[in-house]
Parts: sequence; C-alpha cells; structure tokens
Amino acid sequence: DTAVSQTPKYLVTQMGNDKSIKCEQNLGHDTMYWYKQDSKKFLKIMFSYNNKELIINETVPNRFSPKSPDKAHLNLHINSLELGDSAVYFCASSQDLRQGKGSNLFFGSGTQLSVL
Amino acid sequence: QQQVKQSPQSLIVQKGGISIINCAYENTAFDYFPWYQQFPGKGPALLIAIRPDVSEKKEGRFTISFNKSAKQFSLHIMDSQPGDSATYFCAATGTASKLTFGTGTRLQVTL
Repeated sequence: DTAVSQTPKYLVTQMGNDKSIKCEQNLGHDTMYWYKQDSKKFLKIMFSYNNKELIINETVPNRFSPKSPDKAHLNLHINSLELGDSAVYFCASSQDLRQGKGSNLFFGSGTQLSVL
Repeated sequence: QQQVKQSPQSLIVQKGGISIINCAYENTAFDYFPWYQQFPGKGPALLIAIRPDVSEKKEGRFTISFNKSAKQFSLHIMDSQPGDSATYFCAATGTASKLTFGTGTRLQVTL
C-alpha cells in the first residue's frame, strides 16, 4: 500500500488550461502539504492543511487553489496554467503540525507538470 | 533568518569513499535537523535526523555531525555505494515552524 499517493504522475498541458492534481494519504496523518520542486531541485512549500484547515499559504499565485475534502485528501487545482508553472509538485503528510518534534514528512512520488 | 545553506551543490565520490555534505543555519530557534534523500522520480524520504542536544548521530553508514556554536551540521556517508547516488536535502525547523529545506546536493557515487 502506498502511504502517500498522488495522481497523475505526469501532466502535460497547454498554457491557459486548468488542471488538478489529487493526493491521498493512508497513514492517518492530520497534516498534509503541497511542495513545488523546480528544475534545480529546490523544494518550496506552497500550502499546508491540518485537519482540513489551511495553515500555511506561502506566496503562491491565487491561480493555485488547494482543497481538502477530508484529512486524508488534499487536492491542488491550478487555473490558467503558465509556462513557469512547469515543475514537479509533491504532496506530503505528517502526523501533525509539529514538524520539529518527530513529526516527519512523508512524500508522494510527485507529479511532473509540463506546460507547453 | 529562515535560510538553510547547503553545500556542495553536487558531489562525485568513488565507491568506498566518504561523502560529506554541509549545511549552515541562522535561526537559533531551530531545534530539529533532518536529512532527506531523494532518488530520481521519487519523493524525498527521511534518512536521519538530529536534535541539538547531541553532537553526533549515527545510523549504519550515515552520520550527522552537529556543531551548535557554529550553527552547522553535516552528513557523512561512509563507504559510499552506487546505490547512495541521490539528491540529499538538509532541513531545519523549530517548534511550530515549518520545515526549511536546504538547496540540495546531487551525489553521484562512481564504480
């Protein structure tokens, strides 16, 4: 059983389109995240949710909208896709918000988004 | 204040050699320092972590050395193997703050 699964694995789309990435975790964790990894491998947090409540919302264009229907799911919808959105998007989860107290991150395998 | 600086950006080590990756931080409120390992096509996974109350933590061939006064910590991979070839991220966090990642080090272990 995959602990954190996200779909699709690859997403190729045209500029201006709207797309969604889905994420599910079966670890019973309370907190979920979206990270963006650019071509230089730099990992940047985008959002975090704790028990369906938005906790972290970094400086991300409002074209990106996360939705958490329940604490096991966190989806990412992107409107009006731009070339600069091309990256690998990772979903992650942790037991709770206490990332500094042994509540380590478990990452999905990523969604490679290519905007043409 | 939230930055974690990581070096080198890339590293090539021969099989059996020692790989060393260094990180430095500014925020004295950080109190948990994990390392994540990422293989191509996969998400990062926790490798080893340390808290500042100890100067060293070892798990198999992987050791974290921590220097609190210098605000530096490093990952040592002993007897490096081709299977260790991956990108390594140091990270740091404090109570109730988000994890701050370093910029990553691509390690290649050659035969």
